[in-house]
Formats: sequence, structure tokens, C-alpha cells
Amino acid sequence: QVLLQQAGPDLVRPSQTLSLTCTVSSGSIISGSFYWSWIRQPAGGGLEYIGRVYTLGGTNYNPSLESRVTISLDSSKNQISLNLTSVTAADTATYYCAKGGGLLDSWGKGTRVTVSS
Amino acid sequence: DIQMTQSPSSLSASVGDRVTISCRASHIMNNYLHWYQQKPGEPPKLLIYHGSRLQTGVPSRFSGSASGTDFTLTISSLHPDDFGTYYCQQSSSTPWTFGQGTKVE
Repeated sequence: QVLLQQAGPDLVRPSQTLSLTCTVSSGSIISGSFYWSWIRQPAGGGLEYIGRVYTLGGTNYNPSLESRVTISLDSSKNQISLNLTSVTAADTATYYCAKGGGLLDSWGKGTRVTVSS
Repeated sequence: DIQMTQSPSSLSASVGDRVTISCRASHIMNNYLHWYQQKPGEPPKLLIYHGSRLQTGVPSRFSGSASGTDFTLTISSLHPDDFGTYYCQQSSSTPWTFGQGTKVE
């Protein structure tokens, strides 16, 4: 398993952009062919797939969020980034990064993000 | 989207009990069905992948099976460390979707 360290603000204002990073501390994020994913979970709720990025190129997003989400890789920092624009209270959740293309075998500890003015 | 329906939503069990959790897919899919355990304040942990394959390091009391659109997670003898919430997840088609969870308490 790899170690995924998440970072980002815990409070975002409505209509602003939520930006999170996930740093992989063991191995290069682009060595090999696999996916890096983002999942979110509202407090007391279930898990929702946000999207994923493929190390060899390409992304896939949940259609429910596709117009607002961007997931990217920064190999120089060994980071995966999530940007979610025009946030509302409905985007309040714990956000997880995870490694895997289908099955998710390593997870970050999660970042709890509240959208509030 | 493939909808995943888990049952029961919660169950009460004792140490040593055999526990069975079901997950039904809304569409026919292959065995790209995975099971996770989550404890409060922690991320999910992969237990079973591709329907029945045990993730490395997961105790053998956990097992998975599949029959058509029905998938089952079985804990043969519940240990104190097994209490938590269990989720199924399909990766047969995007968007990947999760069941609503089963809380074992």
C-alpha cells in the first residue's frame, strides 16, 4: 500500500472553488499504469465517486459533478489535485483520495470540508 | 448508472456470530464488485475485490460470493474488530457507485 497525505482548507465559501491535494509519499505517481481517484462522503452518509485520473492520460468524472470538477496530476510534486468550482452547502463532505482503477486499495485519511459563509 | 442496493441497512450481532451482507445490482454486471469496511473517523478499507478475492492482509473469516446480480459478503465468525459499516462498490461501469452501507453493531 502507498501512503496518501491529503491537504487543503476545511472551510470554503459558497460559490468559491474547493481545491485539495493528495501527495503520494512512496513511489512516483506516474510510474506504472493505474488510476488515482477522489471519493467524498457527507457526514453520516454514504460514499460518492467524484472522478479519477489515469497515469497514462485521461480522466473520468461522475456526470453529476462533471461540469464543475477537475482532477489532475503534478508529477513534479507527486500530487493528485481536485478542484471543484461553484461549491454549495451540498458539497460539504469528507473528501478522500484513493489509488485504484476500480478497486480502491489505498486511501488518504480524508479532508473534512465545510461550505459555509 | 448501476444502482447498488445493500441489505440490511444495519444489523445487531455478537462476537462469534456468522454475518451476511447482501448487495444487489440494478443491472447485469461482471464481478467487478468490491467490499469495504469503514470505522468512524477512518477511510474505507478494501476487504474483498472482484467479488470473491481476499485483499492481502485481510483475515480469512471474510469471504465474498456472487450469483448474477446478487453479491454477498460473509463474516464466518464475528470478531470484536469487525464492528463498523460495510459498503459494496461496483466498477463494472462508470460512474462507479456504492451501496448505501450496512452498519454492524
